[in-house]
Amino acid sequence: AQKVTQAQTEISVVEKEDVTLDCVYETRDTTYYLFWYKQPPSGELVFLIRRNSFDEQNEISGRYSWNFQKSTSSFNFTITASQVVDSAVYFCALSEANSNSGYALNFGKGTSLLVTP
Amino acid sequence: DVKVTQSSRYLVKRTGEKVFLECVQDMDHENMFWYRQDPGLGLRLIYFSYDVKMKEKGDIPEGYSVSREKKERFSLILESASTNQTSMYLCASRQSWSSYNEQFFGPGTRLTVL
Repeated sequence: AQKVTQAQTEISVVEKEDVTLDCVYETRDTTYYLFWYKQPPSGELVFLIRRNSFDEQNEISGRYSWNFQKSTSSFNFTITASQVVDSAVYFCALSEANSNSGYALNFGKGTSLLVTP
Repeated sequence: DVKVTQSSRYLVKRTGEKVFLECVQDMDHENMFWYRQDPGLGLRLIYFSYDVKMKEKGDIPEGYSVSREKKERFSLILESASTNQTSMYLCASRQSWSSYNEQFFGPGTRLTVL
């Protein structure tokens, strides 16, 4: 069963618009970690943020913000005032403490964001 | 900065060939991973290694094997390449055996099997 769902396959926005990328996860563990990665056209995944299951505080880093809600099993990512350089594929991922896969990351299928001038 | 390098960015092979994909990390990380990435499927785990000479199957190990003789190097082997193994292959490393630590990724190898 898919553990991480990113329902939005592709999103297209015009520069300076705000955009939210959705992530819904599924786990039976009480201890887990959620991650967001960015994959620009160059191909290399870049780590953006980690959030543990006991910390529901929202986080802001410049134009990026993350909203973690355990009640809805969601970890959404918002880009404020989007820029062309934000164009990339964004992946949400889950790492479970009681994993039998070496705590490997369970990735969503990714959301492709295109920001046009 | 952690650096994960992969031997080739692009590779073209023929069906039936034995293919080696090499990955090297320079931060003394214990754990290393191989994923493949396909459109609409995201990243799927092929194999991982939590230490030298240790290896474990991931979600889709069929048709692949791995080797980790040295801590910094993790090789993915396609014993007899097939067209359905055409994909982007991503290597990653992680400091240690923990769900907390993030993984660092290489640039990927785009393999085409003809």
